[in-house]
Amino acid sequence: GEDVEQSLFLSVREGDSSVINCTYTDSSSTYLYWYKQEPGAGLQLLTYIFSNMDMKQDQRLTVLLNKKDKHLSLRIADTQTGDSAIYFCAESTNAGKSTFGDGTTLTVKP
Amino acid sequence: DADVTQTPRNRITKTGKRIMLECSQTKGHDRMYWYRQDPGLGLRLIYYSFDVKDINKGEISDGYSVSRQAQAKFSLSLESAIPNQTALYFCATSTGTSGSEQFFGPGTRLTVL
Repeated sequence: GEDVEQSLFLSVREGDSSVINCTYTDSSSTYLYWYKQEPGAGLQLLTYIFSNMDMKQDQRLTVLLNKKDKHLSLRIADTQTGDSAIYFCAESTNAGKSTFGDGTTLTVKP
Repeated sequence: DADVTQTPRNRITKTGKRIMLECSQTKGHDRMYWYRQDPGLGLRLIYYSFDVKDINKGEISDGYSVSRQAQAKFSLSLESAIPNQTALYFCATSTGTSGSEQFFGPGTRLTVL
C-alpha cells in the first residue's frame, strides 16, 4: 500500500532555514501536501504541489518535488518561534483518499 | 463559528464501555473521514465516507463503527472500548474535487482506563 515517511524531529535556531523532508511510495500520487498542526489543534493545510510541478514558492515556504525519487521537501526561510509545530506530509491520488506521514516535530530555539 | 466541530473534546471512559464521538460540518462537503493520531504513528485512517450512502473501512477499522446520519454528520463509535484505543481522534472533510485538501476538526482526546 501507500507509504509516506518523514523524520520525526527537527530543531533549528530562530532566523535559520528549516528543511523538512518526506518520501512517498505511490507513483500515482497526484497531489502532495504539507499540513501544520499546532499544539491542541487539528491539522491545517500549509501548502500543496501538483505532481507535474517541481517547485512551488509561497512567501517563506518553498516546496520541492523530485518525482523520480518520490521525494518532497518543505523549506521554511527565516524560521520563527511561531513556526514550532508538527508538520505532516501527505499524498493523494485520484481515488480521493490521503495518506499521511508520521509528522515532523519542528522546534525553533530563540 | 468553526466549520468542522467535534464533540466531546475530551472523554475519559472505562474498558468495555460504548463510546460515540460526533462530528458535524457546515462546509457542505460530501466527503468525511475519521482518523486517530498516536505519538510517533502519525494519522491513521479509521473510516471514510464519500457521501451519505457510502461508508468505507480505512486501515484500522477493527473495533470501530461509523454512521453517516446526514451530509453534515459523521459519528464514530467504539462498541466496547479498550485501553489501546486511547488516542486523539480527528474528523475531517473534503470536497469531491480531485486533490482537494482536507479540513480538520479540533480533535477529541479519548482516554480508556
